[in-house]
Amino acid sequence: EAGVAQSPRYKIIEKRQSVAFWCNPISGHATLYWYQQILGQGPKLLIQFQNNGVVDDSQLPKDRFSAERLKGVDSTLKIQPAKLEDSAVYLCASSRGRSGPVQTQYFGPGTRLLVL
Amino acid sequence: AQKVTQAQTEISVVEKEDVTLDCVYETRDTTYYLFWYKQPPSGELVFLIRRNSFDEQNEISGRYSWNFQKSTSSFNFTITASQVVDSAVYFCALYQETSGSRLTFGEGTQLTVNP
Repeated sequence: EAGVAQSPRYKIIEKRQSVAFWCNPISGHATLYWYQQILGQGPKLLIQFQNNGVVDDSQLPKDRFSAERLKGVDSTLKIQPAKLEDSAVYLCASSRGRSGPVQTQYFGPGTRLLVL
Repeated sequence: AQKVTQAQTEISVVEKEDVTLDCVYETRDTTYYLFWYKQPPSGELVFLIRRNSFDEQNEISGRYSWNFQKSTSSFNFTITASQVVDSAVYFCALYQETSGSRLTFGEGTQLTVNP
């Protein structure tokens, strides 16, 4: 079974530019998560989808971050415009069926973003 | 409020030593779940174990073992006979029903196993 796929693996941009990340979850997993992991810290949830609906986006900085999962499969996370403090690893995770980490979350390799 | 504390920022051991990674959590819920994940240099978080609040039995899986103690709100992780491949950042995480489905991670412990 293929794991969670993410691209790109690395991205360097200048502040005020835009950037987008892509995630393809494990086949059949209905729930998809985007996390931000700043260097030296644990991951922090940005947004959670159940199929193509948003379950939790309370920690997403909506003035600059957006995410979509139009067909309930893969997802994109966008930052526009980027700030220096957005430099982090962006992790995508997925889990089966209903929402909740009782359905164990499986993580992708992440996208390392550096904003200059 | 929920919180996970991993007081050990970095641990360095020599191969074949046993090492314990500490995790202390705070929650007001009676139903909650605890997790351990491993993050090797490649960056991917690898699931290790999940434990619910009603199951205090210790778990052993090969060289890995976990000690869950509700009385001290701790969920510690021990690696026996450590190997260089165990070098990684290890995260403890907490989920409680009242926080929706959000995992709260600790700050992580960087384990370095030297040959």
